[in-house]
Amino acid sequence: DVKVTQSSRYLVKRTGEKVFLECVQDMDHENMFWYRQDPGLGLRLIYFSYDVKMKEKGDIPEGYSVSREKKERFSLILESASTNQTSMYLCASNMGRGNTGELFFGEGSRLTVL
Amino acid sequence: GEDVEQSLFLSVREGDSSVINCTYTDSSSTYLYWYKQEPGAGLQLLTYIFSNMDMKQDQRLTVLLNKKDKHLSLRIADTQTGDSAIYFCAERFTSGTYKYIFGTGTRLKVLA
Repeated sequence: DVKVTQSSRYLVKRTGEKVFLECVQDMDHENMFWYRQDPGLGLRLIYFSYDVKMKEKGDIPEGYSVSREKKERFSLILESASTNQTSMYLCASNMGRGNTGELFFGEGSRLTVL
Repeated sequence: GEDVEQSLFLSVREGDSSVINCTYTDSSSTYLYWYKQEPGAGLQLLTYIFSNMDMKQDQRLTVLLNKKDKHLSLRIADTQTGDSAIYFCAERFTSGTYKYIFGTGTRLKVLA
């Protein structure tokens, strides 16, 4: 079974702190994604990576950066956390082209910024 | 524009059928998906339908796609308490890089 693992299920940080959210997948997937989930807003794409060291901005990249140094690992970085970044963060991965495009999700990281 | 809309809540009695609806505005999608999110968990794919299909059935699940009205629905037959979850529809575009648009999610509550 495909496994997408997010290192932290729950985090509490203070305004201005730097926050790292880590995601690892074990199926050699080319694509990895970071989404933010808020009630009534569904999932919104923050960043997407289609290869090592490659990244593209999603719909809401402001205040976030990402790093993909190895194929299996995709990190989301909040350089200076703010209260409006309190949310559930979901990592996902999938194969490259030529398939149904199913996304495999991690269990989520719930971040609270005080 | 790209927008996917769902009603926020649905409540049904155990054993009844549930129908969760989704409308979308962009007709260039290729695949449409239904994902399920159980409490405290990530999303898991339930089923998908290719955009040139009208219907897909998979055990208790029936997906209907009306491209003319840009309407997607998920019917769950004989709904069980274990079906209580948030259901997201999503569409995928293959023009350019991968892009998925998710709906707002419908919270299904199954009453015993």
